Amino acid sequence: DAMVIQNPRYQVTQFGKPVTLSCSQTLNHNVMYWYQQKSSQAPKLLFHYYDKDFNNEADTPDNFQSRRPNTSFCFLDIRSPGLGDAAMYLCATSAGMTGTGRYEQYFGPGTRLTVT
Amino acid sequence: KNQVEQSPQSLIILEGKNCTLQCNYTVSPFSNLRWYKQDTGRGPVSLTIMTFSENTKSNGRYTATLDADTKQSSLHITASQLSDSASYICVVSDNAGNMLTFGGGTRLMVKP
Repeated sequence: DAMVIQNPRYQVTQFGKPVTLSCSQTLNHNVMYWYQQKSSQAPKLLFHYYDKDFNNEADTPDNFQSRRPNTSFCFLDIRSPGLGDAAMYLCATSAGMTGTGRYEQYFGPGTRLTVT
Repeated sequence: KNQVEQSPQSLIILEGKNCTLQCNYTVSPFSNLRWYKQDTGRGPVSLTIMTFSENTKSNGRYTATLDADTKQSSLHITASQLSDSASYICVVSDNAGNMLTFGGGTRLMVKP
């Protein structure tokens, strides 16, 4: 059974046209993450939520925003996509902070974003 | 600066053979090390998590080792199968919070 669900799996948007990617989880986890992964590169953390507390990585562009209206859902908004934003976007969840080693991190299947 | 280096970058082996992937890290203070398998076009799936006190952990045909003194880890795959073809990512966490440092991955291809 899918535990971290991402929709859509493939998204095509035009240069500069706002786009929203969605993630939902059935695990009731406290922490939700958004990663950007470009071809043949490791995932790069954009931001994460611990419950309602939003934590932005220092080098995440302002063009990327996120919303978490409730425990189950988290959204990634790209306000003005550029060609360089074409990538796989991965959502992940964990029950608690991964720094302790106690909590597994579960990834969704990803949304592949194409910018034309 | 926290870094995780993986080698080799890519590897081709024949079905049924064993292989070992390497991970060196400079993350400090160290908390735990994770190995993930990522199939093409999919999200990573956890294989193992090891904390400071653990030096080996197995998950089926996958065995991870950790040497916290030399800051090295390896992932050994036994009797490889075609379905093992994927990228294997080493991720190290510090204990200062929620920081995960990802390695660049090793792309493994298993050929019949």
